[in-house]
Amino acid sequence: NAGVTQTPKFQVLKTGQSMTLQCAQDMNHNSMYWYRQDPGMGLRLIYYSASEGTTDKGEVPNGYNVSRLNKREFSLRLESAAPSQTSVYFCASSEVGGAYEQYFGPGTRLTVT
Amino acid sequence: EDKVVQSPLSLVVHEGDTVTLNCSYEVTNFRSLLWYKQEKKAPTFLFMLTSSGIEKKSGRLSSILDKKELFSILNITATQTGDSAVYLCAVRLNTGNQFYFGTGTSLTVIP
Repeated sequence: NAGVTQTPKFQVLKTGQSMTLQCAQDMNHNSMYWYRQDPGMGLRLIYYSASEGTTDKGEVPNGYNVSRLNKREFSLRLESAAPSQTSVYFCASSEVGGAYEQYFGPGTRLTVT
Repeated sequence: EDKVVQSPLSLVVHEGDTVTLNCSYEVTNFRSLLWYKQEKKAPTFLFMLTSSGIEKKSGRLSSILDKKELFSILNITATQTGDSAVYLCAVRLNTGNQFYFGTGTSLTVIP
C-alpha cells in the first residue's frame, strides 16, 4: 500500500499562474482533505470531501477549488496563484466516523513569486 | 467558534528529561482527540482518545484525556534526540467529518 500520495513534491509559480495539486489514496477511505501549513499557524483545512461526490469548504477556502474525481482521488486547484498561497499543502484521508485517524500524504511545497 | 490550543509553543530539553505537552479545546460536539508527531514531513499518528481518564501508552509516550476540563496531555519520558519534532493535537467532531488542529508544540531535545 502506498497510502496517500501527492504530486508534485515542489512547485514554483509566478503570481497569476494556475496549477492543480493531485492526491490519491489506496486505503478505500471515504473522506479526503486538503490542508495548508504555514509557520506558526498549524494545519488549516482548505476543503474536504466527506464522501465521493461531496465537497465542503473548510477554514480557508478562498482562492482554491477542489474536485473529488472518484473515491481515490481528490485534487486542489489554484486558479490564479498569489504570494499569500505560498505554503506546504497536505492531503489526508480517513474513514468516516469518529474512531478513525487521518493519514497524511508527504506534502507539496509551493512557492508563489 | 471551535478552537484547539496547545502549550507551550516550543520547548527545549536535555536528553533524559520528561516533558508534558498540553492541549485544550473548546468545540461543540466533541468526538475524539488525536495526537500526531511531525518531523519536517507529514504528520504521523500517535494516539486517539475518546474517553476520559483512560491512559493510552506506547513505549515512552503516554496520553490522557479529561473531557470535563476539556484538555489532554502528552507525556514523553526519558526523552531522546529522535523525539525532536512538532507535536500536533487535533479534535474531531461528531458532526461533519472535520478535524481541528492546534498550532503545535515544537520540541527540541539536546544531547
